[in-house]
Parts: sequence; C-alpha cells; structure tokens
Amino acid sequence: AQTVTQSQPEMSVQEAETVTLSCTYDTSESDYYLFWYKQPPSRQMILVIRQEAYKQQNATENRFSVNFQKAAKSFSLKISDSQLGDAAMYFCASGTGANSKLTFGKGITLSVRP
Amino acid sequence: EAGVTQSPTHLIKTRGQQATLRCSPISGHTSVYWYQQALGLGLQFLLWYDEGEERNRGNFPPRFSGRQFPNYSSELNVNALELEDSALYLCASSNRVMNTEAFFGQGTRLTVV
Repeated sequence: AQTVTQSQPEMSVQEAETVTLSCTYDTSESDYYLFWYKQPPSRQMILVIRQEAYKQQNATENRFSVNFQKAAKSFSLKISDSQLGDAAMYFCASGTGANSKLTFGKGITLSVRP
Repeated sequence: EAGVTQSPTHLIKTRGQQATLRCSPISGHTSVYWYQQALGLGLQFLLWYDEGEERNRGNFPPRFSGRQFPNYSSELNVNALELEDSALYLCASSNRVMNTEAFFGQGTRLTVV
C-alpha cells in the first residue's frame, strides 16, 4: 500500500519569488514513480513533473524542480520565479508505474501575491 | 490532438437515483482511470480499466461500477446515490504500452440532493 502526505493545506508566495511545497510518502514497492499535479480553477489536473524512484538525479521542468530524498521518503516541489498563473492546487502523487493507478495527497492551495 | 473528454460537465441527481458518467480517452490510450475528488479528501482511486478489463478497484462499495468499451471509452455508474457521493469525478487515460503518465479530463461535478 502507498500513502502520500501533504501536511501544509495552504501556502502563499510573492510573484517572482521561490516557493517549496512539501510531500512525504510511504511505499513498500521497490520501483515507483512520484508526480506533482497542478489543478487550477478549471479543475483539470495537469502534470507538472515526474520522478522515477530509480533515478538519483532530481527532475526539472523549466521553473519547476524537485528535491527527491529517497531515504527520507520526501519529494518536495520547488517553483522558481513564481508567476500569477502558478496559483492553483498542487497534488503530490505516487504510483507503481508511470501509468499505474495513483495515490494522491490531499493537496495544497498555492496563492501568488502580485 | 484531443485530450480526455468527460460528459456531462455537471450532473444533479436525487438521492436513490442512478448516475452515469462518461469518459473518452486520448486517441491511442488503452487505460482509463476513475477518481473521486470529494471536498477536503483529495483524489481517491475508484477504478482502472485497460483493454476492456477491470484491472484494479479502489475501496468503494459495489454500487460504484463501470465498464470500458471496445473503443476504450468508459462509463462510470453510481447506483443508489447517497448525499456523500457528491463530488468531482475525474477520468484519466494513459498508454500502458508506451508507459506514459496519466492525462486527466476536466471532470464531472455530481451533486446529489
């Protein structure tokens, strides 16, 4: 069984600043994937970034990067140069494969101050 | 390329009725997943279909059921609706062979009154 915990319900960041969203997980699988999804008010879940557990290098996608600490089972998302369009709900998720069912955290609401 | 499409966008039903939600996956995707997003609970996995077969099921009662058609589209049926079934139901699709991640639709907002 997998569990994903996002303990911060809300965060706020000033436009152009950097913010880090925390996530911890637990799994008995040796091979797994971790994801961050963004859900804007339009409700559609959008994949932000994914990390394969077997890869030691942290994934990056433009302004988004992760800090993957496998031993600590931590998977945080860093958003650099925050933009107003980054305001949304962010969900951390885990799965046994890139296309397996996902276990989600409860999400965190990110607001961006102009 | 069209994304994952769900219909209807909104659905209002009375307690005890049945609801049918529909999902069309991205072309070429054979896997369809259903999730329930109730207020304050995050997303809970409901069902996973691939190649017409149910592959996995979440911790939901049997009145939640579904199927996948030969064209890989899917239906989620909820029988004997209860007030707590009110939620956003999200469908996602992926290409199992290509090992792609899941792409989500915009969801169906089900309200049970």
